Amino acid sequence: QQQVKQSPQSLIVQKGGISIINCAYENTAFDYFPWYQQFPGKGPALLIAIRPDVSEKKEGRFTISFNKSAKQFSLHIMDSQPGDSATYFCAARPGSARQLTFGSGTQLTVLP
Amino acid sequence: EADIYQTPRYLVIGTGKKITLECSQTMGHDKMYWYQQDPGMELHLIHYSYGVNSTEKGDLSSESTVSRIRTEHFPLTLESARPSHTSQYLCASSEPGVDEQFFGPGTRLTVL
Repeated sequence: QQQVKQSPQSLIVQKGGISIINCAYENTAFDYFPWYQQFPGKGPALLIAIRPDVSEKKEGRFTISFNKSAKQFSLHIMDSQPGDSATYFCAARPGSARQLTFGSGTQLTVLP
Repeated sequence: EADIYQTPRYLVIGTGKKITLECSQTMGHDKMYWYQQDPGMELHLIHYSYGVNSTEKGDLSSESTVSRIRTEHFPLTLESARPSHTSQYLCASSEPGVDEQFFGPGTRLTVL
């Protein structure tokens, strides 16, 4: 049972464009929503995270938008660069004592 | 960059062999995790530990076993490898009360 659904599976964006990756969840007990970035041959690394008490969080070119009523959250990468080409995973967790549930991943390719 | 190490990075082995995947972290984190990740797919938690002598099974059933005798060391063992165990295995750690998980580079296991 997939509790966090991620789309699209792959995304190709031109340099300078906006990359948007979406995730939807079902468990209303989720209270922590991180995004991880994974380069080939490396483990995932935390990119940005949000809690449901805010609707948006921005760190540099990366923004998380959170819609609690729709049970959806998305990652926006502004001014996408070839160096952003990686696989991005959303995740969710129902409380600090519980474990992360990951989405299926989005392979982003930013063309030069 | 996180100080969490996994060895070997790549392993090709025949069916029936016993293998141990090593994971060590130098950050003093109490919590450690093992994830299984098939190519292009989400991460599935197979084992976790909250501290020395504490181990729990994750959401994905696995024939592997783990041990936590020292805080910094969390090895994963397969008693008899099979082709169905072919996958990437990622180790991670975190501090209690801190949301971020730090991942190692992974071990890519192929069982022939």
